[in-house]
Amino acid sequence: QKEVEQNSGPLSVPEGAIASLNCTYSDRGSQSFFWYRQYSGKSPELIMFIYSNGDKEDGRFTAQLNKASQYVSLLIRDSQPSDSATYLCAVNMDDYKLSFGAGTTVTVRA
Amino acid sequence: DADVTQTPRNRITKTGKRIMLECSQTKGHDRMYWYRQDPGLGLRLIYYSFDVKDINKGEISDGYSVSRQAQAKFSLSLESAIPNQTALYFCATSGPRLAGLKYFGPGTRLTVL
Repeated sequence: QKEVEQNSGPLSVPEGAIASLNCTYSDRGSQSFFWYRQYSGKSPELIMFIYSNGDKEDGRFTAQLNKASQYVSLLIRDSQPSDSATYLCAVNMDDYKLSFGAGTTVTVRA
Repeated sequence: DADVTQTPRNRITKTGKRIMLECSQTKGHDRMYWYRQDPGLGLRLIYYSFDVKDINKGEISDGYSVSRQAQAKFSLSLESAIPNQTALYFCATSGPRLAGLKYFGPGTRLTVL
């Protein structure tokens, strides 16, 4: 079983819609959870982090964490063509490294 | 100037050649990391270092070695490159606690023929 799993996509959404991305993780003791956006050929960019159960909002992005079910999700509201990218979920299973999912590719169609 | 730089940005080499990828950072961070990225596999940790004298293997260290020449410099070497080491390589740094990796280099695209 992979430590961090994501649907690879592609996830295609119309402009202005909500994109919903999911991520599950295997280590119940994980404490910190991160979402990265990565454009093709570029380095990952940290866009959200969440530590506590519940929702965390930052602009058009909302991260949701459910530790009991071991999943974390990212909602992108009012999706824009510039949101077209691969979104990586990452989990802190200890203090020295992050484990990354394979990423979900999102395409926002005009 | 960029916080984390990598050289070269692109490299094509042949099987069996030795190659070094270099990473420099201006953040003053002690922690530095090397990841590789393959399509469909996400980022996988190769090596990480907490300071010049503290170097640790990641999940896929076989076939790689590293050198931490200074706090600001962390190099990754492929002693004898093989085609399945063709990938995108990223260097990253973090502060004293790993609260997410915010500082990534631009990446080195390595092709081994």
